[in-house]
Amino acid sequence: GDSVTQMEGPVTLSEEAFLTINCTYTATGYPSLFWYVQYPGEGLQLLLKATKADDKGSNKGFEATYRKETTSFHLEKGSVQVSDSAVYFCALRRSGGSNYKLTFGKGTLLTVNP
Amino acid sequence: ETGVTQSPTHLIKTRGQQVTLRCSSQSGHNTVSWYQQALGQGPQFIFQYYREEENGRGNFPPRFSGLQFPNYSSELNVNALELDDSALYLCASSPGAGGTNYGYTFGSGTRLTVV
Repeated sequence: GDSVTQMEGPVTLSEEAFLTINCTYTATGYPSLFWYVQYPGEGLQLLLKATKADDKGSNKGFEATYRKETTSFHLEKGSVQVSDSAVYFCALRRSGGSNYKLTFGKGTLLTVNP
Repeated sequence: ETGVTQSPTHLIKTRGQQVTLRCSSQSGHNTVSWYQQALGQGPQFIFQYYREEENGRGNFPPRFSGLQFPNYSSELNVNALELDDSALYLCASSPGAGGTNYGYTFGSGTRLTVV
């Protein structure tokens, strides 16, 4: 079945450091890929998405590129801020038909210190 | 535009009891999905409702059931609660049931504790 494996946390960085959170997936066909962010006490917010190979999703300085050859969708940000502290989830959704559910990784806790 | 609203925010129940969780979908969204997020884990898909019909289900037993109403709001019912049902329950709405590449809009969740 579908699965998402993401980098175990927690990740602790200083402000303005470079961030990478690794994500790899297993799925048949050509899934859409997502990064969601969860701030303390809140639900999930869509951070960015990519729907086909070589697509780059970007938002708020975060980027991730859909790499089909390595089945990866790593999240990057060039300079993190304290406000980026949250849990980040990589997820996939199969395309077409009734394959509608999101399959999530376990999440990576990011803490950014001033 | 209002987002997804869930109630209650927190709930404590005793093992063996039944619970109902509620969700109001975002305006214009006709599809609602429910997810269970255990502590330290990613959300797990429970089921999805589209136009008042269940059109997909994850690996959850029948004691997890749901409803969707004509206004597209939804309920999640769990019977015979077990300790392992303690989790954050997330509701997500979407403007379509399938074939859409929209990300779902999630609510803030209901934290259920079973004692």
